Amino acid sequence: GQQLNQSPQSMFIQEGEDVSMNCTSSSIFNTWLWYKQDPGEGPVLLIALYKAGELTSNGRLTAQFGITRKDSFLNISASIPSDVGIYFCAGQREGGSNYKLTFGKGTLLTVNP
Amino acid sequence: DAGVIQSPRHEVTEMGQEVTLRCKPISGHNSLFWYRQTMMRGLELLIYFNNNVPIDDSGMPEDRFSAKMPNASFSTLKIQPSEPRDSAVYFCASSFDRYRPQHFGDGTRLSIL
Repeated sequence: GQQLNQSPQSMFIQEGEDVSMNCTSSSIFNTWLWYKQDPGEGPVLLIALYKAGELTSNGRLTAQFGITRKDSFLNISASIPSDVGIYFCAGQREGGSNYKLTFGKGTLLTVNP
Repeated sequence: DAGVIQSPRHEVTEMGQEVTLRCKPISGHNSLFWYRQTMMRGLELLIYFNNNVPIDDSGMPEDRFSAKMPNASFSTLKIQPSEPRDSAVYFCASSFDRYRPQHFGDGTRLSIL
């Protein structure tokens, strides 16, 4: 199905560095979600964004809902080894199919201790 | 609080066998989703239930796939007969309602030989 453009595809960083990833779309979304998936586990919800321009933090994570409603970014500050995993963005539209999530392809994050 | 519970975590079976995957959603959630995740296609929505009623099964790949939700705390996804191309990780997710973020289980890793 349709996917969001998520970048970068992968990142290799040193422990303590900050990380930024983003998702863009040609369509407007009503809600942006960010998930993290560890190997052998399911995606875990990190942050949910509901309003254009909204900036929300969850510990060292900060995410923003773009003003145009077509993009979102996720920042991780002072990365630690347990931040390793795949990060997915997901968008949710208005309307009758608003239960459907459109997913990005994920950003694989590796943190070198 | 208990999250979405799926069983089994791993299933290996031979082609042609029937496979049944099980899901217990988070208590109080009225929306339940089944997804399939593969490297090639990412996360694909198979079917969506609302208040135990199937609302959208357009993602079910073939008639070999069926899903039921006999009550608010249990759902099954059945594949009969199974084929090697069905090998994937199958996730169940639930949400408070169709508008709220979805929470995923840890998945069933299915291998059809």
